[in-house]
Amino acid sequence: NAGVTQTPKFQVLKTGQSMTLQCAQDMNHNSMYWYRQDPGMGLRLIYYSASEGTTDKGEVPNGYNVSRLNKREFSLRLESAAPSQTSVYFCASSEPGQRDYEQYFGPGTRLTVT
Amino acid sequence: GQQVMQIPQYQHVQEGEDFTTYCNSSTTLSNIQWYKQRPGGHPVFLIQLVKSGEVKKQKRLTFQFGEAKKNSSLHITATQTTDVGTYFCAGRGTGGFKTIFGAGTRLFVKA
Repeated sequence: NAGVTQTPKFQVLKTGQSMTLQCAQDMNHNSMYWYRQDPGMGLRLIYYSASEGTTDKGEVPNGYNVSRLNKREFSLRLESAAPSQTSVYFCASSEPGQRDYEQYFGPGTRLTVT
Repeated sequence: GQQVMQIPQYQHVQEGEDFTTYCNSSTTLSNIQWYKQRPGGHPVFLIQLVKSGEVKKQKRLTFQFGEAKKNSSLHITATQTTDVGTYFCAGRGTGGFKTIFGAGTRLFVKA
């Protein structure tokens, strides 16, 4: 099992460019999450998907959109990147009922917006 | 909204010294989880506490959940260089789905 995979690992964008971060999990989990991690601020929830077909805003959703493509895949889109979106982005998944929402994280995408 | 505060932000210790990080929530939690993130890595689940006053141990790590279910702590006895990294607490509110992470405590261990 690969667990949670994310692509790309690194990305540099110019202000105003768009891109989609991809995430996939092979653990048959229902719930998936997108976080951003900035120095000194821990992990902040951007969007989550409690189950296939549903998505909800987290703490910091502005400037982002998500798509839960199927049970395995959950993508994060930046429509018009801004320098404030420079961060490390982590995707995670969990299965309610299995150790009650323990989250499995992907390796992260390091995004720089210039 | 729910907030989870974690202190200290950084801690430098000599190898063999003990280390403690504290987590406080603005609201009552249904559970609290602890994660460890090695430098350059991703968060990895350590443990979950659910019951009021619960104490769990994993080798040199001791986790506590407060009686009011609003605070928690992680204590490491006799730190080793392999303990370096950032420790996060993450709390889920009662009746809620989202888990809110604390800012983390970064542990440095000097050999």
